[in-house]
Amino acid sequence: DTAVSQTPKYLVTQMGNDKSIKCEQNLGHDTMYWYKQDSKKFLKIMFSYNNKELIINETVPNRFSPKSPDKAHLNLHINSLELGDSAVYFCASSRPGLATGELFFGEGSRLTVL
Amino acid sequence: AQSVTQLGSHVSVSEGALVLLRCNYSSSVPPYLFWYVQYPNQGLQLLLKYTSAATLVKGINGFEAEFKKSETSFHLTKPSAHMSDAAEYFCAVSGAGTASKLTFGTGTRLQVTL
Repeated sequence: DTAVSQTPKYLVTQMGNDKSIKCEQNLGHDTMYWYKQDSKKFLKIMFSYNNKELIINETVPNRFSPKSPDKAHLNLHINSLELGDSAVYFCASSRPGLATGELFFGEGSRLTVL
Repeated sequence: AQSVTQLGSHVSVSEGALVLLRCNYSSSVPPYLFWYVQYPNQGLQLLLKYTSAATLVKGINGFEAEFKKSETSFHLTKPSAHMSDAAEYFCAVSGAGTASKLTFGTGTRLQVTL
């Protein structure tokens, strides 16, 4: 029973298209995150939600729009995809404020923009 | 603001040899420090964490790290490498607080040879 699950695992799409990635966690955590990992393995936080409220919003193009319908779900919608959006997107969850210091990661969604 | 620097993007050791992965941090507040491991095509998994308790921290799979404030370091070690240790290792830092975020280093790829 996967703790943090993301779908789809792979997306291949053309520039200019819109795509969504979904994330669900069954750990009962209040806080969820989206991270982007580029081709050099560099991980950068994009967004964080605590109990459906946006608490971290890094400098990310507004083509990226997160949405948290409830505290167990955090989706990421990307409009007008660009080549530079190609990356692996990781969803993660934690107790509030990193109380235990541990993020639980999904397996990632590899986005390829052609 | 917090940041971490991982020295060496690629480390190669023989099976049975000592593993030493270096991490130095910068933080304007007392830091929480972490090591995560990423196996191929998987999400990140917490190895160990320092959250202001004991300076020598033991983690899973025989890894440990020592927090040295005077050197602003949090190096990861393992006395004897195993083939299964081959992976990407990330050092990360955060501060306390609900809106805290985990900032990752650029990662060190550990290769274990026979």
